[in-house]
Amino acid sequence: AIQLTQSPSSLSASVGDRVTITCRASQGISSALAWYQQKPGKAPNLLIYDASSLESGVPSRFSGSGSGTDFTLTINSLQPEDFATYYCQQFNNYPLTFGGGTKVEIK
Amino acid sequence: QVQLVQSGAEVKKPGASVKVSCKASGYTFTSYGISWVRQAPGQGLEWMGWISDNNGNTKYAEKLQGRVTMTTDTSTSTAYMELRSLRSDDTAVYYCAREGRGSDYWGQGTLVTVSS
Repeated sequence: AIQLTQSPSSLSASVGDRVTITCRASQGISSALAWYQQKPGKAPNLLIYDASSLESGVPSRFSGSGSGTDFTLTINSLQPEDFATYYCQQFNNYPLTFGGGTKVEIK
Repeated sequence: QVQLVQSGAEVKKPGASVKVSCKASGYTFTSYGISWVRQAPGQGLEWMGWISDNNGNTKYAEKLQGRVTMTTDTSTSTAYMELRSLRSDDTAVYYCAREGRGSDYWGQGTLVTVSS
């Protein structure tokens, strides 16, 4: 199975900061990567698909990049509602797999 | 609007089985597959498996092979996930999700508690 390693596992940031989260795949997955945001007690919410395509309704401050094995989720100008946990997921091969998550906390 | 509505919370004893339902509405059920994902308390997301949109093909996580079965009833636009021989570490919130480009719509989650 393809392993996804997210870093950092947690970070503290302030409103207005630019935040970058990385996701590294154990083997190449082309652009078959999605990013999700999850808030406590809620289902995940799709932010980015195909590594860099913004899901409809998601604010443009979220962006994704990368292909192959290295991927990045960037949040420009962090907003109060962005404090949450973020996960990457690969869709290149079954079994589909998730990264371990990155918790974004308020500094 | 697209909705996935899951069945309610369950409490089961070790060794029992549980069957969670996921009723879809607002889209053509046979045009999208359904994935199942679970999340143990305080832990990350774990992909459990996927069932095809049109022919019932399935893919399961290796660790659940032999204990999990995913099915659909196209007449009611409902997907089901059955997990057998439950253990305490199966305690989790179980989610269904529509597979588009990524899992674009999710159910509200079903808490399954396994306790003696």
